[in-house]
Amino acid sequence: GDSVTQMEGPVTLSEEAFLTINCTYTATGYPSLFWYVQYPGEGLQLLLKATKADDKGSNKGFEATYRKETTSFHLEKGSVQVSDSAVYFCALSDDSGAGSYQLTFGKGTKLSVIP
Amino acid sequence: DADVTQTPRNRITKTGKRIMLECSQTKGHDRMYWYRQDPGLGLRLIYYSFDVKDINKGEISDGYSVSRQAQAKFSLSLESAIPNQTALYFCATSESTRRSGYTFGSGTRLTVV
Repeated sequence: GDSVTQMEGPVTLSEEAFLTINCTYTATGYPSLFWYVQYPGEGLQLLLKATKADDKGSNKGFEATYRKETTSFHLEKGSVQVSDSAVYFCALSDDSGAGSYQLTFGKGTKLSVIP
Repeated sequence: DADVTQTPRNRITKTGKRIMLECSQTKGHDRMYWYRQDPGLGLRLIYYSFDVKDINKGEISDGYSVSRQAQAKFSLSLESAIPNQTALYFCATSESTRRSGYTFGSGTRLTVV
């Protein structure tokens, strides 16, 4: 079945540091890939997505490129801010049969950015 | 108003009590989901519904039931709450495509004492 593996946290960075959160996936079909962000006390929000190989999703300074050859979708940001402190989830959507297209999530990576 | 609204936001209940968590959406999506979030375990799917007449169990449905009252409403019930059901519960909706992803509610924090 489908699965998503993302780096375990927590990750602690100083403000303005470079961020990478690794995400790799296993899928039987041709999935779409997503990054969600969960700020403290809130629900998950879609951060960015990519629906085909070599697509780059971007939003709020975050980027991730859909790499089919390495089955990866790593999240990057060049200069993190304290306000980026949150839990980040990588996810994929694949056709599990009969058009189900359910999301499979990684376990989340908690990021803390210190001033 | 939020696209996906969950009520209540917080609830403390006693062991053995029946409790209902409610979810309503204004997205017009056919598909709705209930997830549970526990620290270190990520999100786990409890139930999902692809339309009003279609209800399916997820990976951890034991101890839970659901009702899809309308396209816009999907309720989760704990028939007899137990302490290990203490968790954060999320409702989500989606379109019927691979590319759309989910829209989540803000969550209900449930504590069973």
